[in-house]
Amino acid sequence: GNSVTQMEGPVTLSEEAFLTINCTYTATGYPSLFWYVQYPGEGLQLLLKATKADDKGSNKGFEATYRKETTSFHLEKGSVQVSDSAVYFCALLTGANNLFFGTGTRLTVIP
Amino acid sequence: DAGVIQSPRHEVTEMGQEVTLRCKPISGHNSLFWYRQTMMRGLELLIYFNNNVPIDDSGMPEDRFSAKMPNASFSTLKIQPSEPRDSAVYFCASSFLAGGQETQYFGPGTRLLVL
Repeated sequence: GNSVTQMEGPVTLSEEAFLTINCTYTATGYPSLFWYVQYPGEGLQLLLKATKADDKGSNKGFEATYRKETTSFHLEKGSVQVSDSAVYFCALLTGANNLFFGTGTRLTVIP
Repeated sequence: DAGVIQSPRHEVTEMGQEVTLRCKPISGHNSLFWYRQTMMRGLELLIYFNNNVPIDDSGMPEDRFSAKMPNASFSTLKIQPSEPRDSAVYFCASSFLAGGQETQYFGPGTRLLVL
């Protein structure tokens, strides 16, 4: 079946620290992979995506590489800011256009 | 370009009342999705439409829930009668399907509280 497993939070970091949020997946076929971000009181925003193995998605200093060999799509950022505080969701999209989400990881960045 | 538009943004109602949530997808998109987000269950797909036709409604919890898409620019999700356990954030998303796996863009959500 299809599923996404995400690092459990919450994660608390100091400003300018390095961020990694782990995400692994199980899928039949060749899914596309996404990271969505949800800021407090808001909806989901697409952060980045990758559609095939070895693709790297990047946006706003965040990066994630689609690793087929380890079935992973870990989110990284070299230097987090207070404004990055949010909940981050890893998701996979199947060929049937079903989007499966992880449970979300809450990130808090303190000054 | 306007994103996905949802209304109302917040809804408080009493148990037993009918609730109607509305969604306007991004212009030109041909697929529309309704999701529900709760603390216990996370994000769940309720139903999705392609070209206004329901394709997969296996996530609809029970007969109290119904969804329609009368045209390409409007969809409703109705709960009748509502129950306290329906309290959640309901998201609408849309995408343009062209034979591949296309990105879904989400609306701001409707926060529903059933008392």
